[in-house]
Formats: sequence, structure tokens, C-alpha cells
Amino acid sequence: AQTVTQSQPEMSVQEAETVTLSCTYDTSESDYYLFWYKQPPSRQMILVIRQEAYKQQNATENRFSVNFQKAAKSFSLKISDSQLGDAAMYFCAYKLGRGDYKLSFGAGTTVTVRA
Amino acid sequence: GAVVSQHPSWVICKSGTSVKIECRSLDFQATTMFWYRQFPKQSLMLMATSNEGSKATYEQGVEKDKFLINHASLTLSTLTVTSAHPEDSSFYICSASGGPRSYNEQFFGPGTRLTVL
Repeated sequence: AQTVTQSQPEMSVQEAETVTLSCTYDTSESDYYLFWYKQPPSRQMILVIRQEAYKQQNATENRFSVNFQKAAKSFSLKISDSQLGDAAMYFCAYKLGRGDYKLSFGAGTTVTVRA
Repeated sequence: GAVVSQHPSWVICKSGTSVKIECRSLDFQATTMFWYRQFPKQSLMLMATSNEGSKATYEQGVEKDKFLINHASLTLSTLTVTSAHPEDSSFYICSASGGPRSYNEQFFGPGTRLTVL
């Protein structure tokens, strides 16, 4: 079974600063996808960024970028120029292959943004 | 992204009654839907995976007779909590995937908060 580990229960960042959330995973597969989801107080799950394992280039979406280290099975999320609206719980997730497979979620990291 | 709705958004019921939660994919055909349960400040726990027209696959430890899942069409899946008890109070989230619009991605509904008195 695949496991996803987020070792930081909470992180705090000053507005406009940068914060990095860590995620490690365990798999013996070579074809998989990794995701970061944001869950604000409304509890609606929002996809932040997606990384395909076969792509070496790190994914970026505006202020969000990842550091994907396949050999180390590490998938960290960097939030640059943090905004108050970034405050939420962030989940790292793993999905096997290119089909409608289930997601395995980490425990989550609560991000607080200080004004 | 595609839109997934859930109804109701919140429900309060008495212990011993059954509650049905609907999950609809509004603008795409969802061949697969997933049901999650989430307690406050915790992660999403997958309960079951349902494919249109076939029986749901339940995760270990999830009572299939208590949490009935039906995926009768490509746009609708339902979760029925039978004989609900206070310990079933939780936040239930569905997600949907399938077809080219959701390739390698699940689209999440807004969730349903269930409170059992």
C-alpha cells in the first residue's frame, strides 16, 4: 500500500514571505501522480498543483511550485509571496497510474498566514 | 475544472434514522466516484470507490451494510447512512473522475456535514 507522510502539522508564515511544506511518499511503482490540495475553512478541496512522476521538470502554478525528488520520494510545496487567502489545510496526495484510481492522502499541514 | 455538487450540504437527524447524500457530476460523465469521510482537523479517509453500474468497493474497516453506496448513472452516486448513530457524525465528501475532462484528476464536491443527535 502507498503511504504519504506530511511531518509538519502546522506552519506559520508572514504575509509576502515564503513557506515550504514537506511531503514524502512510499511506492514501488514507476508511473504515478502527486498532488497538493488546499482545503480552506469552507472545506472545499481545491487542486493546487499536480506532478506527473515521469516528468523531471518541477510543476509550477503562479506562486506555487514543487520540488519533486523522485529518487528520494519527496514532493515539497513552496508557496511564494504568501497571501492571507493562502491560509488553509494543505494535503499531499498520491495516485497510481493514469486511470481512475484512488487518492492516498497525507495527514495534512495547517498553514497560518500572519498579517 | 469540472463541477461536482453534493446535496444536502448539511443534515441533522435523529439516532436510528437513515440519511441519503447525493453526489452529482454536473458537466461530465463520472465513471468512478469516491466517498470520503473527514473528522475535524484530520485528513480525508476513503470509504469506498464506486463505478457506474457495479457494486462499490469498500475500504477495510468500512461497514458496507451501514454505508450503502449506489452509482446508478454516470452523473449520480448516493451514500446512504443507515441507522445512523452519533458516532457517524462527520463531514462526508465525494469526488468524481472519468473521461477526458478529468484525466488523472478527481473533482471534489463541497461536502456534507452530518450531525446525528
